[in-house]
Amino acid sequence: AQSVSQHNHHVILSEAASLELGCNYSYGGTVNLFWYVQYPGQHLQLLLKYFSGDPLVKGIKGFEAEFIKSKFSFNLRKPSVQWSDTAEYFCAVRGADGLTFGKGTHLIIQP
Amino acid sequence: GAVVSQHPSRVICKSGTSVKIECRSLDFQATTMFWYRQFPKKSLMLMATSNEGSKATYEQGVEKDKFLINHASLTLSTLTVTSAHPEDSSFYICSARDRNTNYGYTFGSGTRLTVV
Repeated sequence: AQSVSQHNHHVILSEAASLELGCNYSYGGTVNLFWYVQYPGQHLQLLLKYFSGDPLVKGIKGFEAEFIKSKFSFNLRKPSVQWSDTAEYFCAVRGADGLTFGKGTHLIIQP
Repeated sequence: GAVVSQHPSRVICKSGTSVKIECRSLDFQATTMFWYRQFPKKSLMLMATSNEGSKATYEQGVEKDKFLINHASLTLSTLTVTSAHPEDSSFYICSARDRNTNYGYTFGSGTRLTVV
């Protein structure tokens, strides 16, 4: 069965700091990978996705993620965070078992 | 941690029948539940937001009479696909929020619906 592990449940950063959120998955076959963001009280929004091709994927709002197949990782990065990036971030994997989400990382950006 | 149990994980039904999908929060009270649908090779699409004890808020283009959502208690929300058609075949997933936190959404494991 496929699974997704997000390393940090809570991350607190100051504005302008760089961000990297870890995501590792467990699945032996071909996967599609996603990062979603959920702002307080709102529903999920897609940040970026990887299906194939260039393993460095650029998404909305300055986010990017790199698929490293040998490490089964798909970490999310942003060079300089803003207060408005405060939200819950979810990594997801789609394989034969359907779509599996990680537990999420709650990111708090302090002014 | 918070767990949302979603059943069934897979269901095959005949055209014209109705299918009920349940999402149950096992160790927390869920004031808000989001229901999503995923089309092939697409990301999730929000269908509706339900709050315990009140009517669900549906997104534009989602038929209220076809996708009935009931959030009758703080631990259970259901999505019923009525008079199912093959085009309703999809992956449905719920997400619930713990009423005691301002964050902490937890996802169900999803339901693969196939209408034949």
